[in-house]
Amino acid sequence: EIVLTQSPGTLSLSPGERATLSCRTSQSVSSSSLAWYQHKPGQAPSLLIYGASSRATGIPNRFSGSGSGTDFTLTISRLEPEDFAVYYCQQYGSSPYTFGQGTKLEIK
Amino acid sequence: QVRLQESGPGLVKPSQTLSLTCTVSGGSINSGSYYWSWIRQPAGKELEWIGRIFKSGITSYNPSLKSRVSISLDTSRNQFSLILSSVTAADTAVYYCVRDLGPSDAFDIWGQGTMVTVSS
Repeated sequence: EIVLTQSPGTLSLSPGERATLSCRTSQSVSSSSLAWYQHKPGQAPSLLIYGASSRATGIPNRFSGSGSGTDFTLTISRLEPEDFAVYYCQQYGSSPYTFGQGTKLEIK
Repeated sequence: QVRLQESGPGLVKPSQTLSLTCTVSGGSINSGSYYWSWIRQPAGKELEWIGRIFKSGITSYNPSLKSRVSISLDTSRNQFSLILSSVTAADTAVYYCVRDLGPSDAFDIWGQGTMVTVSS
C-alpha cells in the first residue's frame, strides 16, 4: 500500500500568514489522485482539494493544491482564524486508499 | 444538502461483533453514482479506509480487514451498515461513514464520527 508522510507535524502561524503543508507518497500517485481534507474538533472532516489541485465546492480560493508524482503541497495564502485545524492528505489512485498522519495548524 | 449520521453501541466486548449504521438524509442512497464508505481513526493514528459499497450491492474492502468486515445497504431506510467481527482493542477508534465519489475519486461528505471502544 502507498504510505503518505505529511510535514511538518505541527505548524504554528499567525492569522494573515501563508501556510505551506507538504505530503509525500511512497509511490507515484496515478493521475494526481490526491485529496486534502480539513478537520476541526467536534466536526466532520471536509474535502478541500481533489485531483491534487481542484478546489471542492464552496472552498475559498485562498486554499490551493499543487504537485504530482510523489510530492504534493497544500497552500493557504492568507490564514483566517477559522483555518486553524488538522489537515490530512489522502491518495485514491491505488487501493487500499490511504491517508497521511495529519498536520496540525495552530495559532502562534 | 446531504448529511450522514453514524449510530451504534459505543462499547463492544473483545471477540464480539461491532455493528454500526449510517443514516443518509437530504438525498437518496440510490441516487447518482455515489459509493458509501466507512473510515476509522484510532487515537493518535492515521485515518484508515475500511471499505465501500455501491447501490448495486457491490463491495470492496481494505485487505487488512477483509476477513472480518461486511458492509451492506438498506435502501428502504436510506442506510448503510458496517459489521466488524472478532474485535480486539486495536479496533477501538472513531468510525466515520462517508459518501464516496467512486473508485478513482475523493470522499466528499463525512459524518461526524462515532467513538467505539473495545473493552471488557
